[in-house]
Amino acid sequence: NAGVTQTPKFRVLKTGQSMTLLCAQDMNHEYMYWYRQDPGMGLRLIHYSVGEGTTAKGEVPDGYNVSRLKKQNFLLGLESAAPSQTSVYFCASGKQRGAFFGQGTRLTVV
Amino acid sequence: EDQVTQSPEALRLQEGESSSLNCSYTVSGLRGLFWYRQDPGKGPEFLFTLYSAGEEKEKERLKATLTKKESFLHITAPKPEDSATYLCAVGENRDDKIIFGKGTRLHILP
Repeated sequence: NAGVTQTPKFRVLKTGQSMTLLCAQDMNHEYMYWYRQDPGMGLRLIHYSVGEGTTAKGEVPDGYNVSRLKKQNFLLGLESAAPSQTSVYFCASGKQRGAFFGQGTRLTVV
Repeated sequence: EDQVTQSPEALRLQEGESSSLNCSYTVSGLRGLFWYRQDPGKGPEFLFTLYSAGEEKEKERLKATLTKKESFLHITAPKPEDSATYLCAVGENRDDKIIFGKGTRLHILP
């Protein structure tokens, strides 16, 4: 049972490049979340989804897009990366009782 | 205004010295309050969910309690392996977001 798997684990992008982060869960959870974690800022919610085909904005959605075409996958896209998007990105999945996190993707934009 | 405020930001204890971490929250209707542990370079690890004032949950040396405005994570006779960042988060009834505080960095000295 893998739980929540994030791909890739590390990535370096140049300013203006695009990329997609993949989150996959095998727990049949309805809810999935994308967070970013920065020093001194804690975990901030980017976007979330309460089911296949649905997405909603979180606290810091600007510059990101998401898609939930399949229940088990939640994709986070950066269309034109900026240095301010350098961060560690965490995906989580869960139900009402709480969410379970992946191991993170460390993204550096230069 | 922050919905979730954790204190202290950092705490150093001697092994065996019990203490408490605080999480105060402001939400219109609490869906759940969540505690996580995060080790350096790892994703947050789920510990507890509390749903209503007066509820308590325990796991090994940790005990979480909840009032209408705050939650405490009590650590009894801690060991060095309890050193980590402890994160508090809340979910509101009005939406499906989970919003985190900035965490408390706990260091247990042997």
